[in-house]
Amino acid sequence: DTGVSQNPRHKITKRGQNVTFRCDPISEHNRLYWYRQTLGQGPEFLTYFQNEAQLEKSRLLSDRFSAERPKGSFSTLEIQRTEQGDSAMYLCASSLLARVSKETQYFGPGTRLLVL
Amino acid sequence: TQLLEQSPQFLSIQEGENLTVYCNSSSVFSSLQWYRQEPGEGPVLLVTVVTGGEVKKLKRLTFQFGDARKDSSLHITAAQPGDTGLYLCAGAIWRGGADGLTFGKGTHLIIQP
Repeated sequence: DTGVSQNPRHKITKRGQNVTFRCDPISEHNRLYWYRQTLGQGPEFLTYFQNEAQLEKSRLLSDRFSAERPKGSFSTLEIQRTEQGDSAMYLCASSLLARVSKETQYFGPGTRLLVL
Repeated sequence: TQLLEQSPQFLSIQEGENLTVYCNSSSVFSSLQWYRQEPGEGPVLLVTVVTGGEVKKLKRLTFQFGDARKDSSLHITAAQPGDTGLYLCAGAIWRGGADGLTFGKGTHLIIQP
């Protein structure tokens, strides 16, 4: 299966701890996106990379959140000093920017975070 | 701030019935995508529409992009229990730099056998 993969699938942590999630995009895709989805809501955009460059960050991405894509392949999303409000599904998506109007994002299965 | 509103939010119908889900916005989108999401999983792409007025069919599912590229609809014919899920529409806007997709809250669809 060459789709988007995310690890871990589930994470339970105590408030104040740091957590890190990993996303492996579809291999030839140059764009990688992170979203957050809370119960009953659609996904909300957090940030995205084109190759290794982080080009945009949402206002939702507080200073406790940091994302990297060091070699333009996999990406990590770290949350420092987790809070209960960080509990959510964190989704990664990737796309190939060929023609902008036809860009399609493909999603991974997500990492479900529960902060106790 | 662009906003996508989906309606209805919840829909429960009997197997064999037809239904339509709507996705509306005051913003113009360069493309619009429909996804289906199962509990605990990521959204799975159903279709991307790009051209105003475009209609795409995927078996019993028919997707339409509004002429002004501000709205879209998903019509399901002869719904089956396997169609049960959360249907999300998501719009993309190109402004010389890309944004992430803007999602609606979704339509929770239940097809009862």
